[in-house]
Amino acid sequence: QSALTQPASVSGSPGQSITISCTGTNSDVGGYNYVSWYQQHPGKAPKLMIYDVSDRPSGVSDRFSGSKSGNTASLTISGLQAEDEANYYCSSYTDTNTVFFGGGTKLTVL
Amino acid sequence: QVQLVQSGAEVKKPGASVKVSCKASGYAFTNFYITWVRQAPGQGPEWMGRIIAYNGDTNYAQRFQDRVTMTTDLSSRTAYMELRSLISDDTAKYFCTSGLNWFDTWGQGTLVTVSS
Repeated sequence: QSALTQPASVSGSPGQSITISCTGTNSDVGGYNYVSWYQQHPGKAPKLMIYDVSDRPSGVSDRFSGSKSGNTASLTISGLQAEDEANYYCSSYTDTNTVFFGGGTKLTVL
Repeated sequence: QVQLVQSGAEVKKPGASVKVSCKASGYAFTNFYITWVRQAPGQGPEWMGRIIAYNGDTNYAQRFQDRVTMTTDLSSRTAYMELRSLISDDTAKYFCTSGLNWFDTWGQGTLVTVSS
């Protein structure tokens, strides 16, 4: 199967902003507004942070935002906090009525 | 409060089958999709497939098409995922989650270890 492409790691200092990219194709990210983002701490289940490209579930901080341009979606975290250190995964609906996940990005808060 | 509670860890030999359960509470089970996702150690999540609770319609990832079966029992509000012909690469934590294209409620995960 084809996973969506994410950078392996990103880092930032507390208070800064970072952006994680998620690149797919016209058959997934570029073709539908069904991109979602998940935060996962070690040993825990993933937590939904963004759905439908840019919508936030209730209870998720507005420091988290999502966007999309062409075949690439992005997650931006502003005002970095130590608790944001985690693995982040994107996912997208595809034209075969399935879902792809990205390979994941490890965020380190310096 | 929506909650998904999964069955406990399993250890299986290569070639065997495993059946993981996922019991739902706190919402109208019949109205929703249950999606199964697995995550091998140190890897990202992998979508396995989904089932519509009320009518049992399924969509499976092509790589699992021949050896996975997803079912639901409406009377007990429980979803099941059976994976057959296990190999060592199937060692992973298996999650059930509610949703069609995005997943807001997750079970705690069930570790399945395949080892001879």
